[in-house]
Amino acid sequence: DSGVTQTPKHLITATGQRVTLRCSPRSGDLSVYWYQQSLDQGLQFLIQYYNGEERAKGNILERFSAQQFPDLHSELNLSSLELGDSALYFCASSAPSDEQFFGPGTRLTVL
Amino acid sequence: GENVEQHPSTLSVQEGDSAVIKCTYSDSASNYFPWYKQELGKRPQLIIDIRSNVGEKKDQRIAVTLNKTAKHFSLHITETQPEDSAVYFCAASKNNAGKSTFGDGTTLTVKP
Repeated sequence: DSGVTQTPKHLITATGQRVTLRCSPRSGDLSVYWYQQSLDQGLQFLIQYYNGEERAKGNILERFSAQQFPDLHSELNLSSLELGDSALYFCASSAPSDEQFFGPGTRLTVL
Repeated sequence: GENVEQHPSTLSVQEGDSAVIKCTYSDSASNYFPWYKQELGKRPQLIIDIRSNVGEKKDQRIAVTLNKTAKHFSLHITETQPEDSAVYFCAASKNNAGKSTFGDGTTLTVKP
């Protein structure tokens, strides 16, 4: 167990809908990262937050947004969902030591 | 931005043989290079990492080497076992708690 939690574990929804994925980092970690992993694909970096502020942005679609709250948990919002958004979404957290600890992931299926 | 290339994409070895996976990076300012192992359906987990002030690091059967001049780093697994079968990802980042760029992954299969 990495200490990073993600909810829900699985999510099944329809095209055009909006969903919210939640991540709680390890105790004391200020950085939260979001990644998308499509079937048989690598880890695509989406966005990073550090202590509530956006720090780095990857190839995140405009339909996707994220935020980190004062208690350091983070949410990833995906809207106007398309079939191609079906993937495993990982959250990771890190302290300044750089090592990222990954959560168990949320498997999103868009039908 | 940073670009990380990882080779090979698939690797099959016999149990007991060694396995080597190589990554190259483009940004000379990158200074932290972790390797993650991801078993099917599970989260990536750090197995070893190296910083730019070190050329080699070893942890039991796993070692990582870094060549800053050539901008490449490699993962070496010796005496492979079937439980080493997984997808391995390399990554590069350039500041503390900064964004990591991942390679596309290598699927390692160890045949008993």
